[in-house]
Amino acid sequence: DAGVTQSPTHLIKTRGQQVTLRCSPKSGHDTVSWYQQALGQGPQFIFQYYEEEERQRGNFPDRFSGHQFPNYSSELNVNALLLGDSALYLCASSSWYRGRVMSGYTFGSGTRLTVV
Amino acid sequence: DQQVKQNSPSLSVQEGRISILNCDYTNSMFDYFLWYKKYPAEGPTFLISISSIKDKNEDGRFTVFLNKSAKHLSLHIVPSQPGDSAVYFCAALAPPRPLVFGKGTRLSVIA
Repeated sequence: DAGVTQSPTHLIKTRGQQVTLRCSPKSGHDTVSWYQQALGQGPQFIFQYYEEEERQRGNFPDRFSGHQFPNYSSELNVNALLLGDSALYLCASSSWYRGRVMSGYTFGSGTRLTVV
Repeated sequence: DQQVKQNSPSLSVQEGRISILNCDYTNSMFDYFLWYKKYPAEGPTFLISISSIKDKNEDGRFTVFLNKSAKHLSLHIVPSQPGDSAVYFCAALAPPRPLVFGKGTRLSVIA
C-alpha cells in the first residue's frame, strides 16, 4: 500500500519563474494539506484541500495556489518565485470526518525547491 | 506568534540512557498532540500521540506525558538507541484548524 508520494523530489528554479509540485495521497485518504519547511524551522501550513476545494489557508501570499483532483491528488503552484521560497515542500494526507481532519496525517518525503 | 514551542534545538544522549524532549504550547484549544520523527531527505513520520483527556500515553520505548495546566508535554525515549537520532517535531491540533508544528529538536544518540 503506497503512502504519500510527491514529485519531483528536487527542483531548481530561477527567480520569477513558476513551479508546480504534485502529491498523491495515501490510499483511503481524501484530504491533502501542504506545508513549507524552511531550513531549521518546523513545517508551516500553506493550505488544505478536501472535495476539490480549498478548506483552510495559512499565512501565505496568493502567489501560492493549489488544486485537488477528483482522485484526491493535489498540486501546489507557486508563481513569481522568490529566493525565500527555497524550502522543503511537504504534502500530508488524512481523512475528513464530520468537519474535522482526523489525526492520522501521513507525510510524503517532500520536494526540495531551490530558487536561484 | 508561535503556538507550539520546542525551546531546545538539540539534545545529545548516550545510548541506553533516557532522552527527554520537551514542548510547550500556548493555545488552550489544542485537544490532540503528536510527535513526529524526521530523518534527512524524508518526510516526518508519526511516532506517538496523546489526547488532551489523558496525561500519559505509552508505546514501547516511547512515552508522551501531557501537563495541561502547564501547557507542556514531553516525549521520553527509554532506552535511547543510535537509530533514534533524528529531528523530533511536536505538533498540535485545535479542530478545525490544521496541524501546527514546533521548530523541532535534533536528537543525537551517541554509542
